[in-house]
This record gives sequence, C-alpha cells and structure tokens, in this order.
Amino acid sequence: AQTVTQSQPEMSVQEAETVTLSCTYDTSESDYYLFWYKQPPSRQMILVIRQEAYKQQNATENRFSVNFQKAAKSFSLKISDSQLGDAAMYFCAYRSARSGTYKYIFGTGTRLKVLA
Amino acid sequence: EAGVTQSPTHLIKTRGQQATLRCSPISGHTSVYWYQQALGLGLQFLLWYDEGEERNRGNFPPRFSGRQFPNYSSELNVNALELEDSALYLCASSPGTGGRETQYFGPGTRLLVL
Repeated sequence: AQTVTQSQPEMSVQEAETVTLSCTYDTSESDYYLFWYKQPPSRQMILVIRQEAYKQQNATENRFSVNFQKAAKSFSLKISDSQLGDAAMYFCAYRSARSGTYKYIFGTGTRLKVLA
Repeated sequence: EAGVTQSPTHLIKTRGQQATLRCSPISGHTSVYWYQQALGLGLQFLLWYDEGEERNRGNFPPRFSGRQFPNYSSELNVNALELEDSALYLCASSPGTGGRETQYFGPGTRLLVL
C-alpha cells in the first residue's frame, strides 16, 4: 500500500524568504502523480502544483517549485518570496496512474506560518 | 466557471441520527470523490463515483454510503452517526477516469455529532 509522510507538522517563514516543505512517499509503482495542495483557513483546498512521475523535470508554478527525487521517493515544495497569503495547511498527495485506482493518498499536512 | 460546491456548510446532528451531505461538481466533470478530514489528520478517501456508479471505496463502514445522480451531483449519507464522525467532509471532482486528471475540491461540509 502506498503511504505519504509529511514529517513537519508546522513551519514558519519570514515574509519574502524561501521555505521548503518536505514530503516522502512509499510505493512500488512506477507511474503515478504527486501533488501539493494548499488549504487556507477558509478551508477550500487549492491545487498548488502537480508532478508526473515519468517526467524528470521538476514542476514549477510561479513562486512554487518542487524537488522531485524519484529514487529517494521525495517530493519537497519550495516557496520563494513568501507572502502572507501563503499561510495555510499544505498537503502532499499521491495518486496511482494504474487504471481503476484513482483515489488520492494524502499526508497529514504541514501548517505554514508566514511572519510579517 | 463555478467550482465544486457543497451544502450545507455546517451540519449539527446527534448520535444515532442520519446526515446527508451534497456536492455539485464542476460543469463537465463526471467523477466525484468524497473525503473525510478529521481534526489533526489528513484526508481519508471515502468514496468515488463516476457515471452514476460507485467505482471505489475507502476503509469505512457500510453506514457511509452515497450516490451520484444523472446530472453528476452526488450525495453522501452517514447513518447511525457516531461522535467520531465529526469531521470536515470534502468533495472533489475531476473530468473523468482517464487516470491523469487532477481533482478539484469544494469548500467542505463541517459535520458535528453531539
């Protein structure tokens, strides 16, 4: 069974600084997808970034980028130039690309605080 | 384009009662997923519906059930409510079952069981 681990329950970053959130996962599959979702206090879960396992290039989305290390089964999220609006719970998620298995497996989340 | 919507936003029930939660997917999306997010825990997969049929189910007892309607909206029913059912219930939708679509989440329904 696949598992997703976020070992940092809480992180803090100074506004305009860079922070990296860690995520590791365990799977025996070779084709899968990894995601970072953001859940602000308003509760709406928002997709931040997505990575296909078959792509070696790390995904980027404006100030958000990932460091995908497939062999190490690591998928960290880097937030550059942190803004107050980045404060939220961040969830790492795994989804198998195997047909008929479309559920997401989520980590327990990392609460990010942004200090002014 | 409207996102995933859920109703009600909050629901208070007593132990033993039944709760019904509703979800409307993004227009054009045929798959609906339900998750339970208990306090301090990550999201736990509950159910997946596509084209009106239940496709997959998480490790939850049978008193958690649901259905998907012809317009692709969905309903989650929780029977014989227990105190530990108190949680945020999130619905997500995706365009289909091609295996590569991203799920988009609704704002959730906060269920409190007293």
